[in-house]
Amino acid sequence: NAGVMQNPRHLVRRRGQEARLRCSPMKGHSHVYWYRQLPEEGLKFMVYLQKENIIDESGMPKERFSAEFPKEGPSILRIQQVVRGDSAAYFCASSPLISGKETQYFGPGTRLLVL
Amino acid sequence: DQQVKQNSPSLSVQEGRISILNCDYTNSMFDYFLWYKKYPAEGPTFLISISSIKDKNEDGRFTVFLNKSAKHLSLHIVPSQPGDSAVYFCAADFQGAQKLVFGQGTRLTINP
Repeated sequence: NAGVMQNPRHLVRRRGQEARLRCSPMKGHSHVYWYRQLPEEGLKFMVYLQKENIIDESGMPKERFSAEFPKEGPSILRIQQVVRGDSAAYFCASSPLISGKETQYFGPGTRLLVL
Repeated sequence: DQQVKQNSPSLSVQEGRISILNCDYTNSMFDYFLWYKKYPAEGPTFLISISSIKDKNEDGRFTVFLNKSAKHLSLHIVPSQPGDSAVYFCAADFQGAQKLVFGQGTRLTINP
């Protein structure tokens, strides 16, 4: 049973370009979460999605960032017009159908470097 | 506003001894707590969790203790093994929001 998959593992972008990060949840998991980790810090929640629905995007910057989890295919975190401060590790997690206290299982992360 | 705090950035323990990692929280609404372990260049790996209705949960070498009145939880690893060397994060959630709040992490080093 494959775990959470993320690609690419490393992404280099120049300032002003777009970054697209992909996440495929574990088989049987219908909930996806995105977190960001800056150097020497803990992970910070960004957004929580179900298929075709954004449940909670309270941790996502209001501008330049968007996320989707379409009916078919992986979840996408999109960062437009990247800036140096966007350089971080972005982790995706997934969990099965919510029953109250679900464990989130994390992928290996995408390390974004903005030059 | 750091709602979950791990005040020890690092901890060094001898192989075979007990490792104790600590975590404090400020939000009394938190009702579910988790510990994750992270190796460099990998994602966090789930270790153990505890609901606020319990004060202890055990899984093999790992035991988590929760002291609600002190808003404190700890992870005990016994006996410690070299493969336990990693960064450990505690995380908290409330009312099933699924919006985990993480501490800053503690780097555990197990010395032979």
